Amino acid sequence: EAGVAQSPRYKIIEKRQSVAFWCNPISGHATLYWYQQILGQGPKLLIQFQNNGVVDDSQLPKDRFSAERLKGVDSTLKIQPAKLEDSAVYLCASSWIGEQYFGPGTRLTVT
Amino acid sequence: GESVGLHLPTLSVQEGDNSIINCAYSNSASDYFIWYKQESGKGPQFIIDIRSNMDKRQGQRVTVLLNKTVKHLSLQIAATQPGDSAVYFCAENPSSGGYNKLIFGAGTRLAVHP
Repeated sequence: EAGVAQSPRYKIIEKRQSVAFWCNPISGHATLYWYQQILGQGPKLLIQFQNNGVVDDSQLPKDRFSAERLKGVDSTLKIQPAKLEDSAVYLCASSWIGEQYFGPGTRLTVT
Repeated sequence: GESVGLHLPTLSVQEGDNSIINCAYSNSASDYFIWYKQESGKGPQFIIDIRSNMDKRQGQRVTVLLNKTVKHLSLQIAATQPGDSAVYFCAENPSSGGYNKLIFGAGTRLAVHP
């Protein structure tokens, strides 16, 4: 079974620029999650989708972050404009019932 | 690859010894707990889980213990191997029957020396 796919794996941008990350979950997984993992910390949930609907986006900085999952399959997370403190690994995960499966993440560096 | 646990507490053990990694969780209403392993450059990988109606669960070489009285979780790894070197996170699900929301702890780096 293919795992959760994410791209790009690495991205370096300057502050105030925009960036987008893409995630393709495991086939058939209805729930998709985006996490932010700052170096030295555990992952923090940004947004959770159930099919194409948002279940929880309480920790998403909505003034600069947005995410969509239009067809209930793959998803994009966008940051516009980026700040230095957005430097982190952005992890995507998916689940059917119970266990969440994580992708390899995208490491974002904002300079 | 990059290190996900640069500033984390580190547990150093000798190959073959048993390892115990501890975690304090925050929400007394949490009813489901998971241990994840994260290697450099990879996403977290499920190790073992436990529900709040249990106090112990065993897997292959791993055991999770749950003490709800003091809100404490531990992961025991038997006969630790170099491949066990990674950062370990505990996670709690603060909602019951909900949408599987997880809150991760800070993590512990396990370093296994030959």
